[in-house]
Amino acid sequence: QVQLQESGPGLVKPSETLSLTCTVSGGSVSSGSYYWSWIRQPPGKGLEWIGYIYYSGSTNYNPSLKSRVTISVDTSKNQFSLKLSSVTAADTAVYYCARDSLTGVDYWGQGTLVTVSS
Amino acid sequence: QSVLTQPPSVSGAPGQRVTISCTGSSSNIGAGYDVHWYQQLPGTAPKLLIYGNSNRPSGVPDRFSGSKSGTSASLAITGLQAEDEADYYCQSYDSSLSGPRVFGGGTKLTVL
Repeated sequence: QVQLQESGPGLVKPSETLSLTCTVSGGSVSSGSYYWSWIRQPPGKGLEWIGYIYYSGSTNYNPSLKSRVTISVDTSKNQFSLKLSSVTAADTAVYYCARDSLTGVDYWGQGTLVTVSS
Repeated sequence: QSVLTQPPSVSGAPGQRVTISCTGSSSNIGAGYDVHWYQQLPGTAPKLLIYGNSNRPSGVPDRFSGSKSGTSASLAITGLQAEDEADYYCQSYDSSLSGPRVFGGGTKLTVL
């Protein structure tokens, strides 16, 4: 059974960089069958896809966030990470890491709330 | 403003059938890309409910079904149960500047 777990600060100051890590167990980020995604959900709102990374290191980002987002992978630790720079209150959300393929997002982390506030 | 359009809310009585629509465009659903559906119970992560337009992952009751036609897709729930009360999201792929993966805005299902 694949499990994903997000970790990182729950509070980030405006203009700083949000950093989260997703640890994968029961599966490998080196698998060529999947994309490893970050998805967020502002309080009371819908889902927004942030971006994904493939095991090779290739990435694809939501154009609306592209200038501020970096997703990286550490195959030795079976982890992938998200960095979102210059955050504002609008970036306050529950952030999910997930396993993604062309048959949908089949495994999700439990989500972590990140609040942007001074 | 979501790339895929869903009704904000639907409701139905126990035992009834409800449908949730997901309307896209020629750059996503209409381009032939698959549609997936997710169920999000309060306070939990979304769960894959339907993949590839009409396929159910193992463990999903056959009360849930999906279909796609043209630039739209639909999720149908028959024999509505209290535990079906949740938010439902459609997701597809897009070849425009919206990004390769797009979600609908979500639909809140209320079981009366």
